[in-house]
Amino acid sequence: NAGVTQTPKFQVLKTGQSMTLQCAQDMNHNSMYWYRQDPGMGLRLIYYSASEGTTDKGEVPNGYNVSRLNKREFSLRLESAAPSQTSVYFCASSEYGSEPYNEQFFGPGTRLTVL
Amino acid sequence: AQSVTQPDIHITVSEGASLELRCNYSYGATPYLFWYVQSPGQGLQLLLKYFSGDTLVQGIKGFEAEFKRSQSSFNLRKPSVHWSDAAEYFCAVLPNTNAGKSTFGDGTTLTVKP
Repeated sequence: NAGVTQTPKFQVLKTGQSMTLQCAQDMNHNSMYWYRQDPGMGLRLIYYSASEGTTDKGEVPNGYNVSRLNKREFSLRLESAAPSQTSVYFCASSEYGSEPYNEQFFGPGTRLTVL
Repeated sequence: AQSVTQPDIHITVSEGASLELRCNYSYGATPYLFWYVQSPGQGLQLLLKYFSGDTLVQGIKGFEAEFKRSQSSFNLRKPSVHWSDAAEYFCAVLPNTNAGKSTFGDGTTLTVKP
């Protein structure tokens, strides 16, 4: 049981390049999330998926797209990377349903630098 | 919209001393409340959560938190801090009417002096 896995762990991009961050969970959770973490700013929600087949914008969606490929996988795409997207990206999952207060389980993060 | 405030950016305590990390939230009703811990280079791990009932909740690693409705607070406490508690701590709120959208505070970094 690996929990939430993210790839890659580290990435350096040049401005304008594109890339996809991958996330997978093996806990059969309905909901999945993408956050970015910047110093002194906590975690900010980029996109989330309440269930397979649905996605919704979070607090800071501009410059990102997501795909909920299946129940296990939720990817985050940067179409044209900008230096402002330099951050640590976390994927999380939870079993949202009759008990919406279920905790979120986090992956180890992807450290992205855009030059 | 809900918001979470962690007033202390950085706290330093001596090993063995007691700890209290503050969290205040703004929301029209009582949300679900969480404390997470993040060790350097790691993802977040849940310490404890509150959703109803007893306002004093126990978590892992000897932590507890008390929900005070009148103060809109959910402060985290530990009676005796260990060096391994050095980490960043996040308070989070989840509205009880929302589809999973949590709001996180900016975090409090805990340093433990030997």
